[in-house]
Amino acid sequence: GDSVTQMEGPVTLSEEAFLTINCTYTATGYPSLFWYVQYPGEGLQLLLKATKADDKGSNKGFEATYRKETTSFHLEKGSVQVSDSAVYFCALSVGAQKLVFGQGTRLTINP
Amino acid sequence: DSGVTQTPKHLITATGQRVTLRCSPRSGDLSVYWYQQSLDQGLQFLIQYYNGEERAKGNILERFSAQQFPDLHSELNLSSLELGDSALYFCASSLQPGTSGRGEQFFGPGTRLTVL
Repeated sequence: GDSVTQMEGPVTLSEEAFLTINCTYTATGYPSLFWYVQYPGEGLQLLLKATKADDKGSNKGFEATYRKETTSFHLEKGSVQVSDSAVYFCALSVGAQKLVFGQGTRLTINP
Repeated sequence: DSGVTQTPKHLITATGQRVTLRCSPRSGDLSVYWYQQSLDQGLQFLIQYYNGEERAKGNILERFSAQQFPDLHSELNLSSLELGDSALYFCASSLQPGTSGRGEQFFGPGTRLTVL
């Protein structure tokens, strides 16, 4: 079946550091890929998406590129802020159906 | 604000009881999805409705059921509750499948269920 694997957390960085959260997937069809973010006590917010190979999704300084050859969708940000502290979920959807999520990566940014 | 609303925000109940969680999708969205978030299982898809009809089922227990009403709001019914049902339950909605957005879903704030 379809699945998503994210790098193990938690991840702790200092402010202004470079961030990478790895995500790889397995899908039976041609998936759309997403990163969702969950701030403490809140629901999931869509951070960015990509719907076909080589697409780059970007939002709020975060970027991820849909790499079909490596079945990956790694999340990156050049300079993180304390306000980026949250749990990040990589997810896929095939045929605009259910979302399949990775296990989530808790990110903490220290000032 | 995603435009998806869920009530109640918190629910505390006892084992063996039955509860109903409610969700109103974004205006114009026909699909509603239910997910369960727990510490040990992560985020799991439960069930999807599209325009009043069940569309897909995931890891939903037989004690759980859902429906989508003509006004497109949805309810998730959980019965014979067990301690292990304590979790965050999210509702999400999306555009009609096949249209632009390609699977993008918008999530409500969730209902935190605690079974004592």
